[in-house]
Amino acid sequence: GIQVEQSPPDLILQEGANSTLRCNFSDSVNNLQWFHQNPWGQLINLFYIPSGTKQNGRLSATTVATERYSLLYISSSQTTDSGVYFCAVERQAAGNKLTFGGGTRVLVKP
Amino acid sequence: DAGVIQSPRHEVTEMGQEVTLRCKPISGHNSLFWYRQTMMRGLELLIYFNNNVPIDDSGMPEDRFSAKMPNASFSTLKIQPSEPRDSAVYFCASSLLRGYNEQFFGPGTRLTVL
Repeated sequence: GIQVEQSPPDLILQEGANSTLRCNFSDSVNNLQWFHQNPWGQLINLFYIPSGTKQNGRLSATTVATERYSLLYISSSQTTDSGVYFCAVERQAAGNKLTFGGGTRVLVKP
Repeated sequence: DAGVIQSPRHEVTEMGQEVTLRCKPISGHNSLFWYRQTMMRGLELLIYFNNNVPIDDSGMPEDRFSAKMPNASFSTLKIQPSEPRDSAVYFCASSLLRGYNEQFFGPGTRLTVL
């Protein structure tokens, strides 16, 4: 199956700092999604981004499908950004099921 | 619009009991997915349905687990008999089958088997 690796595994930020999370995947994909799992366990959709760049407020994401990686940028981080960020991919010709990376655990300190 | 709805939100049961988890997908979505999240294995797909038909159940851990989707607006995941190692958070997600197939997740059911 496809391998999805996220880095770093843990990240501690001071409020106001910027950061970049990375997702590498081992095969061609039809779909790539970024999620934020908040401290209450909810999985919140951030981006549906199989290729290209998107922005939503302080968050943006870029996927370079040909090089098999995606980046999630958090700017001017806030304490509410704390939680775990997951990258998930849908491998081509494998049906529409997602394979998740191990996540990046982010803690933003006030 | 209502998102994916799951019930119950929390379930505590004793080993050997039957457990049934329920899911209502987003109206109009025709793909439904069951995932399980544990500390050891992370988020993993158990089974998914397209147009109410099970497509891939290779992630179902063993015969104690079964899932059904009798219609487009309801699915169940059943564990019988339950074991302590089944303790986890179970998520249901739904999406469109074709085109823009972004998956949306329900709030999850936290299952504890004593």
